[in-house]
Amino acid sequence: DTGVSQDPRHKITKRGQNVTFRCDPISEHNRLYWYRQTLGQGPEFLTYFQNEAQLEKSRLLSDRFSAERPKGSFSTLEIQRTEQGDSAMYLCASSSGQGVTDTQYFGPGTRLTVL
Amino acid sequence: QKEVEQNSGPLSVPEGAIASLNCTYSDRVSQSFFWYRQYSGKSPELIMSIYSNGDKEDGRFTAQLNKASQYVSLLIRDSQPSDSATYLCAVNRWLGNAGNMLTFGGGTRLMVKP
Repeated sequence: DTGVSQDPRHKITKRGQNVTFRCDPISEHNRLYWYRQTLGQGPEFLTYFQNEAQLEKSRLLSDRFSAERPKGSFSTLEIQRTEQGDSAMYLCASSSGQGVTDTQYFGPGTRLTVL
Repeated sequence: QKEVEQNSGPLSVPEGAIASLNCTYSDRVSQSFFWYRQYSGKSPELIMSIYSNGDKEDGRFTAQLNKASQYVSLLIRDSQPSDSATYLCAVNRWLGNAGNMLTFGGGTRLMVKP
């Protein structure tokens, strides 16, 4: 399978714990995006990487959230001191960066439940 | 006003009918537009992209774009029960070296009844 992969697919944690999610983009894609989606809503942009550089961050990304893409390949999203409001589907997408026709392809997502 | 607006539905159509899904957006500099299909509990799957005014057809799907009216639509011909899903409209603004920004609507839930 050469699509975007995410791990884990599901995560249940207790409030106050730290969690980390991983995303592996399509191999030739240099752009990687993180989104969050809550029930009944569309995905909301969190942050974006071009290669290893984090170029854009949403104001939704509080200081408890941090994302990295150390070698321009896979990315991690860490949430520290989780809160119940962090419960959501965390989606990763990648694209090849072809200007205005650039198309993002999504991974299967990680569903986080904070108890 | 939301940046990308869709009727949440549900939109119910009989099998074999045409389903019409609509989306309006507020940012006039938006340059590309996408429709994603999302089954319950799954991630968004790309259906169509459109960049120029007019119609774009791909199989049973037709995307329509009117930039003057800031309006995008998706038509699904010969609707099948397997088309039952939430359809997300996404609007893209190209930021040059800073990449692009996809803004999603809340989605329209489509139900195709056998």
